[in-house]
Amino acid sequence: DSGVTQTPKHLITATGQRVTLRCSPRSGDLSVYWYQQSLDQGLQFLIQYYNGEERAKGNILERFSAQQFPDLHSELNLSSLELGDSALYFCASSPSTGGMQPQHFGDGTRLSIL
Amino acid sequence: AQSVTQPDIHITVSEGASLELRCNYSYGATPYLFWYVQSPGQGLQLLLKYFSGDTLVQGIKGFEAEFKRSQSSFNLRKPSVHWSDAAEYFCAVASGNTPLVFGKGTRLSVIA
Repeated sequence: DSGVTQTPKHLITATGQRVTLRCSPRSGDLSVYWYQQSLDQGLQFLIQYYNGEERAKGNILERFSAQQFPDLHSELNLSSLELGDSALYFCASSPSTGGMQPQHFGDGTRLSIL
Repeated sequence: AQSVTQPDIHITVSEGASLELRCNYSYGATPYLFWYVQSPGQGLQLLLKYFSGDTLVQGIKGFEAEFKRSQSSFNLRKPSVHWSDAAEYFCAVASGNTPLVFGKGTRLSVIA
């Protein structure tokens, strides 16, 4: 158990819809990272928050947004969903920020767009 | 831009045999290197990491990895593979404050 909790585990929805994925980091971790894993793109970094502030941005679409709340949990919002958004979405956390921080991953949310 | 290459998409080994998974990185600065393992239906678990110092690092589950700067490689090894090691293995690199960049992964199958 990594200590990172992601909900829901599975999400099935239709094109054009909006969903929210939730992540609770390990106790004491201030950084939260979001990743998208798909068969064709592999594991892609989306965005990082550190103590409530956006710290780094990767290949995140404009239809996607995230935030980190005062209690440090984070939400990833995906809107105007397309078939190609079907993927496994991971959240990871680390105590601080910086490339040497080992990240601990949740079990992911599998998003299926019908 | 930094990149990570895992040349082998899929490897099959016999139980009890030795294992080496290859990882090559492209990065100008001193990299921070990681190996993660992903079992089906689960998230990624950190096996080991290298920042500096001894170029041979030990990890969990009997894995080790060797950093070779001259070859820009960080290969993962295990002397004797167990059936429970069947999983997807990811090499990742970061530097400074840059986010982790992952390789495409190597799927390991273990046969009796």
